[in-house]
Amino acid sequence: EPEVTQTPSHQVTQMGQEVILRCVPISNHLYFYWYRQILGQKVEFLVSFYNNEISEKSEIFDDQFSVERPDGSNFTLKIRSTKLEDSAMYFCASSAVGGGETQYFGPGTRLLVL
Amino acid sequence: QKEVEQNSGPLSVPEGAIASLNCTYSDRGSQSFFWYRQYSGKSPELIMFIYSNGDKEDGRFTAQLNKASQYVSLLIRDSQPSDSATYLCAVRNAGGTSYGKLTFGQGTILTVHP
Repeated sequence: EPEVTQTPSHQVTQMGQEVILRCVPISNHLYFYWYRQILGQKVEFLVSFYNNEISEKSEIFDDQFSVERPDGSNFTLKIRSTKLEDSAMYFCASSAVGGGETQYFGPGTRLLVL
Repeated sequence: QKEVEQNSGPLSVPEGAIASLNCTYSDRGSQSFFWYRQYSGKSPELIMFIYSNGDKEDGRFTAQLNKASQYVSLLIRDSQPSDSATYLCAVRNAGGTSYGKLTFGQGTILTVHP
């Protein structure tokens, strides 16, 4: 069964460093999302992406964050200058349709900023 | 602020019993409702979705939606220890800019004891 994959599974970085989190969505899906979950808290929406541009972003998704679909398969989230509070689990999700269609989540990348 | 509220639990039921999980949402125009299961340290895994008022059954799971009361629930029949997890209610909000964004509740921890 097709699934969303994410790399790396874990990432440890120093405050102020740049990180890139990678995702390969399900191959025939057109809509892509990033969510994050700080330990013990809710899953929070960061950004949605369709047709090579951002469709919607949350207040969390400030100028330190960017997303890109560099080729036909990868979808990346870049954090330019990490802060301690960026430590969280980051989930990529994809859906075939952007409306009510089900979003399938990848296994996540656990980011720890020291 | 569009909110999704769940009783955080923990909810403890004996094996074989019915577990009832509840969720309320604040955005009256919400259109799509999802139940995800999340094991500790893992990503959300879709259980089922519901769009219309009433009940929807899938195996041991039944989702119930009441848009007038802004309430959605999940019943798990014949609960098994393997059902022990955190159950996340997610809502896709209405609105022209809401491109599939999901708003999650904080999750209900379910423990099924043998």
